[in-house]
Amino acid sequence: GAGVSQTPSNKVTEKGKYVELRCDPISGHTALYWYRQSLGQGPEFLIYFQGTGAADDSGLPNDRFFAVRPEGSVSTLKIQRTERGDSAVYLCASSLTSGTGMLFFGEGSRLTVL
Amino acid sequence: GESVGLHLPTLSVQEGDNSIINCAYSNSASDYFIWYKQESGKGPQFIIDIRSNMDKRQGQRVTVLLNKTVKHLSLQIAATQPGDSAVYFCAENRDSSYKLIFGSGTRLLVRP
Repeated sequence: GAGVSQTPSNKVTEKGKYVELRCDPISGHTALYWYRQSLGQGPEFLIYFQGTGAADDSGLPNDRFFAVRPEGSVSTLKIQRTERGDSAVYLCASSLTSGTGMLFFGEGSRLTVL
Repeated sequence: GESVGLHLPTLSVQEGDNSIINCAYSNSASDYFIWYKQESGKGPQFIIDIRSNMDKRQGQRVTVLLNKTVKHLSLQIAATQPGDSAVYFCAENRDSSYKLIFGSGTRLLVRP
């Protein structure tokens, strides 16, 4: 597809479980971002990749959250020992380069922790 | 703290009228501002941006105004259409960095 693809679109899990959320960016986009959006709020920055490396992970809430982008394309956001407060929509975005405000967002993965 | 925020959480307009969505920011170091539109169940979609060396920028049916004196940003939508119904976010960016700071959004409802 032409846009950013995120899977799964919905994930329901139990407290304490491990989850992985996948993002397939637009082909050729070197910059990839993860944001988290709670109900009624704007997206909050989590992590930014330039190529394969995480250039800035300062937005990750704690060490239960981790993200990888091993080949500079697809990225996976991993959450260990999920908590109810992790429930949110996790948005992935990509851009052709960094330093631009023109991000292309996916439709998000809605995570619900019971 | 420094943040980007919005004055009106919900704006209702008649189809065909012009819409104005406002945003206040508090960090005078911010030099780049972006408006995004988010429809229900979808990710945010880029609308228009403006850098701090400009005070106005126009796109197709949209105009963004920037008043650095009072740290205020607005998005004007001409001849509002039902398809414009969505939540609109302003975001700020500093020093051409990669990190966008989003406000909490304004919902635009277009009445037929």
